[in-house]
Amino acid sequence: EAGVAQSPRYKIIEKRQSVAFWCNPISGHATLYWYQQILGQGPKLLIQFQNNGVVDDSQLPKDRFSAERLKGVDSTLKIQPAKLEDSAVYLCASSLDRGGSNQPQHFGDGTRLSIL
Amino acid sequence: GENVEQHPSTLSVQEGDSAVIKCTYSDSASNYFPWYKQELGKRPQLIIDIRSNVGEKKDQRIAVTLNKTAKHFSLHITETQPEDSAVYFCAASKGYSTLTFGKGTMLLVSP
Repeated sequence: EAGVAQSPRYKIIEKRQSVAFWCNPISGHATLYWYQQILGQGPKLLIQFQNNGVVDDSQLPKDRFSAERLKGVDSTLKIQPAKLEDSAVYLCASSLDRGGSNQPQHFGDGTRLSIL
Repeated sequence: GENVEQHPSTLSVQEGDSAVIKCTYSDSASNYFPWYKQELGKRPQLIIDIRSNVGEKKDQRIAVTLNKTAKHFSLHITETQPEDSAVYFCAASKGYSTLTFGKGTMLLVSP
């Protein structure tokens, strides 16, 4: 099966600019996650969708970050305006929705964002 | 919320030796514990996972053990090979809640 697709792979912008990332999950996976991975750390969840609804966005900096999954398939994460501390790899993951238990999350290759 | 501590942060072994990475978690309700391997510049890849109703799980050279009472779980890699060199992350979650990751262990296997 095709894996989680993300684009772009790399992005360099100046602080205060805007940027958007795209993710297409594995076909049939109802749950989609966006993570931020700062160099030398584990992934940190930004937002979790189940179909087109938000399950958890408690760690999303909502003053500058936004995400949507309008049709319950692919998703876009946006940062506006970017700050230097947003430099990180943004990972998308997806999992099957099977009632009552966690299912393995499968990650995309990520987008490496550098803020100048 | 959940807190996951992972040790050691770096681990160097000789090819053929065993490697053990340990994680502790804070939320006793956590019931799912995956391990991911991440090579430089690549995506995290699930290598093994365990649920709280099982104490040990093995897949070829990789095994995971879980001690619910002590709230810790460990990854064991036997007969290490240079291609095992990577960063390994443990994680924990409960129900449908999201994964909380440890900070990672950089494993270096020298030929």
